[in-house]
Amino acid sequence: QVQLVQSGAEVREPGASVRLSCQASGYTFTTHYIHWVRQAPGQGLEWMGAINPSGGSTRYTQSFQGRVTMTRDTSTSTVYMDLSSLTSEDTAVYFCARAFIAARPPDDFWGQGTLVTVSS
Amino acid sequence: QSALTQPPSVSGSPGQSVTISCTGTSSDVGGYNYVSWYQQRPGKAPKLIIYDVTKRPSGIPDRFSGSKSGHTASLTIAGLQADDEADYYCCSYTGSLFVFGIGTKVTVL
Repeated sequence: QVQLVQSGAEVREPGASVRLSCQASGYTFTTHYIHWVRQAPGQGLEWMGAINPSGGSTRYTQSFQGRVTMTRDTSTSTVYMDLSSLTSEDTAVYFCARAFIAARPPDDFWGQGTLVTVSS
Repeated sequence: QSALTQPPSVSGSPGQSVTISCTGTSSDVGGYNYVSWYQQRPGKAPKLIIYDVTKRPSGIPDRFSGSKSGHTASLTIAGLQADDEADYYCCSYTGSLFVFGIGTKVTVL
């Protein structure tokens, strides 16, 4: 069965960086885009960016440009999301989700979410 | 890219229908037929209930339907059930990126 399994919770101090992972299984890794979406406590969903695991091309929303990097490792079917210069406003649950078509929002398979807490 | 506009909350009694709007611009909702809707319960990942404006994934009851007119997409829940109480989000393609709506809390009275 299709699964997206995310790495565990992280705690960072302001100014630090964090790397989250999302390992896919149950389907051909290179056939679906992987999106990252975050949700701050009590807030709505925010789209961060996406990566095409086939060629590694990425697109990021402007508010994260320069701070976010998405990469993939096809040998382990894993996508990584690096976020730098963390502030308390980056405290959120981060989800990965897949999509079959470049223009289509995330589809029906999402990771379980990773809580990132930024605190001194 | 600003978040798509949704009503913060809607409510209805069991059996009634409710409609949630999702208003954008010609650069997102109005420009593409790639609007999805998600249901999210507390502490859970979002669940896809509508994609490509009107299509339902396998397993989603036909009580959920989607439509679009101009720059506004809509999600209608017919025959409201207690289990439908959740937050609902729309998401639209913007030509290269994506944007979510602010979310709507559905309360079943």
